[in-house]
Amino acid sequence: QVQLLESGPGLVKPPETLSLNCTVSGGSVSTYNNYWSWVRQPPGKGLEWIGYIHPSGSAHHNPSLKSRVTISVDTSKNNFSLRLSSVTAADTAVYFCARSLRYADGYDGFDVWGLGTSVTVSS
Amino acid sequence: EIVLTQSPDFQSVTPKEKVSITCRASQNIGNSLHWYQQKPNQSPKLLIKYASQSISGVPSRFSGSGSGTDFTLTINGLEAEDAAAYYCHQSSSLPFTFGGGAKVEIK
Repeated sequence: QVQLLESGPGLVKPPETLSLNCTVSGGSVSTYNNYWSWVRQPPGKGLEWIGYIHPSGSAHHNPSLKSRVTISVDTSKNNFSLRLSSVTAADTAVYFCARSLRYADGYDGFDVWGLGTSVTVSS
Repeated sequence: EIVLTQSPDFQSVTPKEKVSITCRASQNIGNSLHWYQQKPNQSPKLLIKYASQSISGVPSRFSGSGSGTDFTLTINGLEAEDAAAYYCHQSSSLPFTFGGGAKVEIK
């Protein structure tokens, strides 16, 4: 079964760029009806969807993050990545990667999640 | 953006009781509403998809109902292991959004 694992630095200085990878195992990032998302959770708060990418390279991100988000996929490494630029303390959160499937009816819920990786933004 | 409002945001419940959590959408989302359970320091776990469809491996005491703008997650016969935060999520339109969460505590 598909498993996801996030990796990346736990500490990022403002206003640098946060970069995280999500490695897919037990399956292929290229599977056509799979959409690969990033979701974050600030300490003690709820979940926020950051954006997703499709194996074709088509991506969509949350407008609340303006143009700071870049999500990409690397089919040769079977992973996908998140870059969040100009970070501030408000970007401190646990970052999860997750999968949803898409069928004719629409997007399924997120059925596979990574363990999450904690990122602190501080100078 | 579709706003999801969950209520109540906290409840303390005795084991074996019935728990209901509601999720109201700011516009019609059909049945594109999914429910998650998140225990402390864990990833969210998908409980129900498309408002009422069960997920393999999830105990049958968890059920969902609703369509349009009003949805309910029900736990029939709360167990100690159900202490967690519960989130709804809509996939009707982008950006995907989550409700603010509802915490269930065991008395």
